[in-house]
Amino acid sequence: QQQVKQSPQSLIVQKGGISIINCAYENTAFDYFPWYQQFPGKGPALLIAIRPDVSEKKEGRFTISFNKSAKQFSLHIMDSQPGDSATYFCAASIKDSSYKLIFGSGTRLLVRP
Amino acid sequence: DGGITQSPKYLFRKEGQNVTLSCEQNLNHDAMYWYRQDPGQGLRLIYYSQIVNDFQKGDIAEGYSVSREKKESFPLTVTSAQKNPTAFYLCASSTGHNTDTQYFGPGTRLTVL
Repeated sequence: QQQVKQSPQSLIVQKGGISIINCAYENTAFDYFPWYQQFPGKGPALLIAIRPDVSEKKEGRFTISFNKSAKQFSLHIMDSQPGDSATYFCAASIKDSSYKLIFGSGTRLLVRP
Repeated sequence: DGGITQSPKYLFRKEGQNVTLSCEQNLNHDAMYWYRQDPGQGLRLIYYSQIVNDFQKGDIAEGYSVSREKKESFPLTVTSAQKNPTAFYLCASSTGHNTDTQYFGPGTRLTVL
């Protein structure tokens, strides 16, 4: 119930293409869904986040789509660039006393020039 | 510069030895977290602290210990009881609210020889 399942494990996209990463959850108590981007040898950094009261959030080339009924959310990277090559993690948290983040297993994205 | 620092960047340890990883933040954040990252498994929570002199176990606390004597510092000790300590360790901090960004440090890569 506390898991967040992320797919695919790895993704190769041509420059200019659309990268799509999917996550699914079971616990309906989750109420905050951030995406983190991590470059090799570095710590993750927040990319974009969404609350379940909206179905989509866009920031530049990055969009989160949220389907509350299906308990799924996805990250779309439009016009993918080689500089987007990184590992992406979805996460979820519950509004309880701990505010812990539960992370997906990560997707390694490679954007070919 | 505001942020989170972790030291050392690389650490080698012999089997049977305890080792302490440093984490310092100057963001005035109340909450601090320690995660372990293994290939293909995402980030797993080891310990977290929401306030000075208080901390709670995460999902994989066995073989680890922490202290929170100062707001800005949250050191992690990897004890000899941790069966498979070789991993990338990440420290994070936040203001402590569930929709708040967790800011990550650059990480420490621990290798047991």
